[in-house]
Amino acid sequence: RKEVEQDPGPFNVPEGATVAFNCTYSNSASQSFFWYRQDCRKEPKLLMSVYSSGNEDGRFTAQLNRASQYISLLIRDSKLSDSATYLCVVTLFSGGYNKLIFGAGTRLAVHP
Amino acid sequence: NAGVTQTPKFQVLKTGQSMTLQCAQDMNHEYMSWYRQDPGMGLRLIHYSVGAGITDQGEVPNGYNVSRSTTEDFPLRLLSAAPSQTSVYFCASSYTSPGQISGELFFGEGSRLTVL
Repeated sequence: RKEVEQDPGPFNVPEGATVAFNCTYSNSASQSFFWYRQDCRKEPKLLMSVYSSGNEDGRFTAQLNRASQYISLLIRDSKLSDSATYLCVVTLFSGGYNKLIFGAGTRLAVHP
Repeated sequence: NAGVTQTPKFQVLKTGQSMTLQCAQDMNHEYMSWYRQDPGMGLRLIHYSVGAGITDQGEVPNGYNVSRSTTEDFPLRLLSAAPSQTSVYFCASSYTSPGQISGELFFGEGSRLTVL
């Protein structure tokens, strides 16, 4: 079983739609959680951190469910510019360092 | 605003050749790291450094060497290239330990390496 699992997609949605991605992680000792965004053939960039109580940044809402070991990302009012791959990242202190475990990503395609 | 600069962006090697991927950051970050990204897999950590003169192995270090003689530079050396090292390589830096809420990773634009 992968340490971090994501549905690869693609999620094809029209502009204005609401779309949600889930990400599950296997190690209950995982400490911190993030969503990164990666445009096609570009580098990943931090989208948002995920806090225990959930957090919102504009059209983006992130939730953490430690009991079920998943995090989610909700995008409201999708824009064409939201088309990208969304990487779920989980951290775990292992081997003497904060190990970042990246999911393989979920691809979102927003169409007119 | 250079951020993290990687060179070269593209490289084709023959099996057995060696090369160095260069990485430089101008943000005075202590933490630097190298990842590889393969289709269908998440980014995997190759080597990392917590400051000048200090390096350590990540998840997939075999076949790679690093050094950190200055805060700014963190080159990745492929000792004897193999087809399994065909990948996209990303250098990243962060102000604090990655994984802390304040430890945002800043990535370079990536280096696409093909080993024939």
